[in-house]
Amino acid sequence: AAGVIQSPRHLIKEKRETATLKCYPIPRHDTVYWYQQGPGQDPQFLISFYEKMQSDKGSIPDRFSAQQFSDYHSELNMSSLELGDSALYFCASSRLAGAYNEQFFGPGTRLTVL
Amino acid sequence: DQQVKQNSPSLSVQEGRISILNCDYTNSMFDYFLWYKKYPAEGPTFLISISSIKDKNEDGRFTVFLNKSAKHLSLHIVPSQPGDSAVYFCAASSGGAGSYQLTFGKGTKLSVIP
Repeated sequence: AAGVIQSPRHLIKEKRETATLKCYPIPRHDTVYWYQQGPGQDPQFLISFYEKMQSDKGSIPDRFSAQQFSDYHSELNMSSLELGDSALYFCASSRLAGAYNEQFFGPGTRLTVL
Repeated sequence: DQQVKQNSPSLSVQEGRISILNCDYTNSMFDYFLWYKKYPAEGPTFLISISSIKDKNEDGRFTVFLNKSAKHLSLHIVPSQPGDSAVYFCAASSGGAGSYQLTFGKGTKLSVIP
């Protein structure tokens, strides 16, 4: 079965640079979520999109922005990168049907900021 | 403030025996609970879920129990297999309140000893 695809899998950037992470949801899934997992931490919700509109917002810094495109893929744009942005970034997708939805996660993008 | 708590960072179980992973939550708005399994360098894999209107859900070797009055849930794995060795995350959402973001616990590392 098709899974959530994330690219790139690994990314190394310098401080103050920008980074773009991409997420391709499972076919027919209309909702995309972004999570950040720091070393030894639990995943923290950043932002989500349903039908290309922002649906929920968590602890996403103002330096980050995201959007969902017409083909339902999503991109997380990160600017003015800081050392503390080094983390695993997961994208998840779901088919929003009612109040109960399982989110299926991609393999993650490991971002290292030097 | 950790709204989902997994108080045992690690658990070791003999192969063939039962593994019981526990999770407590504080937010009474949570109405949907999920368990995810995570291997290193991979994204979380959905295992099983339960809505707040139920107290038990079973899927093969995995059973989740929910005690709403105690704000406690547990995942039982019977029989445990070496391939079950991974980090298990408990997660919760409050879809009934229109918020589908997942709030995770810090995870429990399960080791199944052959």
